[in-house]
Amino acid sequence: SAVISQKPSRDICQRGTSLTIQCQVDSQVTMMFWYRQQPGQSLTLIATANQGSEATYESGFVIDKFPISRPNLTFSTLTVSNMSPEDSSIYLCSVVEGSDGYTFGSGTRLTVV
Amino acid sequence: GNSVTQMEGPVTLSEEAFLTINCTYTATGYPSLFWYVQYPGEGLQLLLKATKADDKGSNKGFEATYRKETTSFHLEKGSVQVSDSAVYFCALRKDSNYQLIWGAGTKLIIKP
Repeated sequence: SAVISQKPSRDICQRGTSLTIQCQVDSQVTMMFWYRQQPGQSLTLIATANQGSEATYESGFVIDKFPISRPNLTFSTLTVSNMSPEDSSIYLCSVVEGSDGYTFGSGTRLTVV
Repeated sequence: GNSVTQMEGPVTLSEEAFLTINCTYTATGYPSLFWYVQYPGEGLQLLLKATKADDKGSNKGFEATYRKETTSFHLEKGSVQVSDSAVYFCALRKDSNYQLIWGAGTKLIIKP
């Protein structure tokens, strides 16, 4: 199965700044997903990123706040823009292989102060 | 719409106890069902899956059977260990795309 390298693993950021999270996959994958996991809660899908097209955002998430890049089949970035303490969360990328194989990055634990 | 409901945690058990974590779902069509585990400080790992009715997924002593008649996918283990302490997530994949629908997660605490 694919191996995902996600970084940074954690960061503490000042409100009003932006943070870019990177996910590098060791194989080519068509679909990548970005999730948010708020403390003690389940995962919420932010957007689906396919190479060569605009990301598809879920309800409640907008491109201006969470711009995503997907320049090739092995890499994607998620930026959390103009951060506030409410953005403190774990952010995860995920890829799907085949019909049911999902692999997750190790997550980025973001704290906004 | 599609949804997943898990029993609330935390679930606290003694070592070697029998474990059941309930998961029921609502979905159109024939979804695939998954259990993921998140150990403290780590990312999500696939524990087991089932892709059609009556399938049984199993891994590391855990089992879950896809029951379409009761729309359930309960996770069981006959004898838990302290190392099983983690958060367990039930999830389904919709028919028409690859998005996962997640349950809220159940925190499992195993005491020695």
